[in-house]
Amino acid sequence: GAVVSQHPSRVICKSGTSVKIECRSLDFQATTMFWYRQFPKQSLMLMATSNEGSKATYEQGVEKDKFLINHASLTLSTLTVTSAHPEDSSFYICSAQTSGGAVRGDTQYFGPGTRLTVL
Amino acid sequence: AQTVTQSQPEMSVQEAETVTLSCTYDTSESNYYLFWYKQPPSRQMILVIRQEAYKQQNATENRFSVNFQKAAKSFSLKISDSQLGDTAMYFCAFISTGGGADGLTFGKGTHLIIQP
Repeated sequence: GAVVSQHPSRVICKSGTSVKIECRSLDFQATTMFWYRQFPKQSLMLMATSNEGSKATYEQGVEKDKFLINHASLTLSTLTVTSAHPEDSSFYICSAQTSGGAVRGDTQYFGPGTRLTVL
Repeated sequence: AQTVTQSQPEMSVQEAETVTLSCTYDTSESNYYLFWYKQPPSRQMILVIRQEAYKQQNATENRFSVNFQKAAKSFSLKISDSQLGDTAMYFCAFISTGGGADGLTFGKGTHLIIQP
């Protein structure tokens, strides 16, 4: 149980285009999903927290107009990188939390990640 | 804000040996959770073990156990009888239990290599 998928697993795009990444919880409902970014040989950095039916909360330094997050249902959150540039090239990982929020310290289940390369 | 520090960028041990990965953290919170995640070459994040700060008993999961020292803000991971499949990046992570849902704060990671 607790499987999270991401699509696509890998994407290459030209500078200036937009890319959408989907994150799905396959066998549970996720009230909260998180988006992380991981540069090569570095740790995961939280970008934003996404709650179903409400606006995402972005971490300091993350441009909300560049990284659009939509959490349309309890099983789907999307991250759209708008007008992508080479410096946006990275590994993007989503995670999903079942319920109760951090008050109960619910475990986050991670997707397999999406490697974005912007040429 | 909380910080998580992993002071060992890389460790290498022989198969079947026991290895301990260190993690310290800094927080003003009293209630929180700590995690160890494993990231193999596939880059899929896998939960290894979880510790609730209000519990004094150290968490264990088969060959994996932690030494949680709350006063010292230390949370080390011990892997017994290490196996080749344990080769991976290991990340220590923190999450507060207050203020609603929050993302994890990760340490920089330790690259563990198990030698045959």
